[in-house]
Amino acid sequence: AQKITQTQPGMFVQEKEAVTLDCTYDTSDQSYGLFWYKQPSSGEMIFLIYQGSYDEQNATEGRYSLNFQKARKSANLVISASQLGDSAMYFCAMRAPTNFGNEKLTFGTGTRLTIIP
Amino acid sequence: EAGVAQSPRYKIIEKRQSVAFWCNPISGHATLYWYQQILGQGPKLLIQFQNNGVVDDSQLPKDRFSAERLKGVDSTLKIQPAKLEDSAVYLCASSLVGTMTSVYNEQFFGPGTRLTVL
Repeated sequence: AQKITQTQPGMFVQEKEAVTLDCTYDTSDQSYGLFWYKQPSSGEMIFLIYQGSYDEQNATEGRYSLNFQKARKSANLVISASQLGDSAMYFCAMRAPTNFGNEKLTFGTGTRLTIIP
Repeated sequence: EAGVAQSPRYKIIEKRQSVAFWCNPISGHATLYWYQQILGQGPKLLIQFQNNGVVDDSQLPKDRFSAERLKGVDSTLKIQPAKLEDSAVYLCASSLVGTMTSVYNEQFFGPGTRLTVL
């Protein structure tokens, strides 16, 4: 079974500093995908970044980058130059095949990031 | 492009009552998902539809939860009767496809329905 672990329930970071949100995963599948989502207080899940298990380069999307260490089974999110609008819950998720022939997203418990002015 | 629509946004009911949630996915998206997000946890998949067929309902409490997707577009999720532990945000998401053949098979989420059972 797939499992995602986010060990940081909450983080406080000064505005303009970089922040790393930790994510480790467990799977026996060779083909899988890793996602990061942002969930502001309004409730919607906003897709940030994706990393495929066969991608050799770390994914980057603007101020977001994913530090993918396959051997360690970690997929940490790095946010550079944090902004007040980055305050939100952040979820790491893994997409992997199931016995039903579909693919399923398994989410971690999330990290609440608060940016301090 | 319009996003995933959900209604209502909030619902308060008493235990043992019934409730229904509605979801309209992004136009053209074949796959529709319902998630349950309990406070302090990540979303958990309840059911996945491919067009109007159920692909995965392994985590749906079928004694009280039901879902349908008529005509492969809109979907409703029903709880009957509700229990206190059903208090959660119910998220609907959609994607173009639901298989591993699409690398960027991004799921787009709606705003969710916050259910409180008293």
